Amino acid sequence: GAGVSQTPSNKVTEKGKYVELRCDPISGHTALYWYRQSLGQGPEFLIYFQGTGAADDSGLPNDRFFAVRPEGSVSTLKIQRTERGDSAVYLCASSLTSGGIYEQYFGPGTRLTVT
Amino acid sequence: KNEVEQSPQNLTAQEGEFITINCSYSVGISALHWLQQHPGGGIVSLFMLSSGKKKHGRLIATINIQEKHSSLHITASHPRDSAVYICAVRGGATNKLIFGTGTLLAVQP
Repeated sequence: GAGVSQTPSNKVTEKGKYVELRCDPISGHTALYWYRQSLGQGPEFLIYFQGTGAADDSGLPNDRFFAVRPEGSVSTLKIQRTERGDSAVYLCASSLTSGGIYEQYFGPGTRLTVT
Repeated sequence: KNEVEQSPQNLTAQEGEFITINCSYSVGISALHWLQQHPGGGIVSLFMLSSGKKKHGRLIATINIQEKHSSLHITASHPRDSAVYICAVRGGATNKLIFGTGTLLAVQP
């Protein structure tokens, strides 16, 4: 079946602009995670959804970052007033649920470049 | 100090060599993952383990919960094994992953 998909695969934007990154999880997966990976680093946790609600947003770096998952499937990560430091690969992962030990399946990522 | 430390950061091996990548962590966990990431590619899960040892093909992963340490071994390495190998631990109520910085492996023919 289809895996986790993310769009766009690449996004170049100017400093100060607003961007939206989309994640389509595996069908039936209720848990959805956003991570950010800077060049040469391991991914860092941003936010986690169980169903429609953000159960843990402790990794969001500041209030310019926001994410939604209104119907419990597709999620959108929104970044306002982008800064050059936001340039990174944004990864999405989904799992069957957060309870218990379930595998997380990763999307291919969106490479964001802020110029 | 990072909660998840990997060593080495970079590793170059000759084809056929036995490879070991180490991971140490300082937090309580419910599971540990070994992941593979090719340049420009997505992340693929190799193993998820909470105790003991798992084997898949030429790959072996072990974990020692008491010592908070895990190793990933690759037997009979091949150039196609060249990638970044990332250790990640899962903990807390949300099961979010905490990642190491990765080990860049290059296997030369």
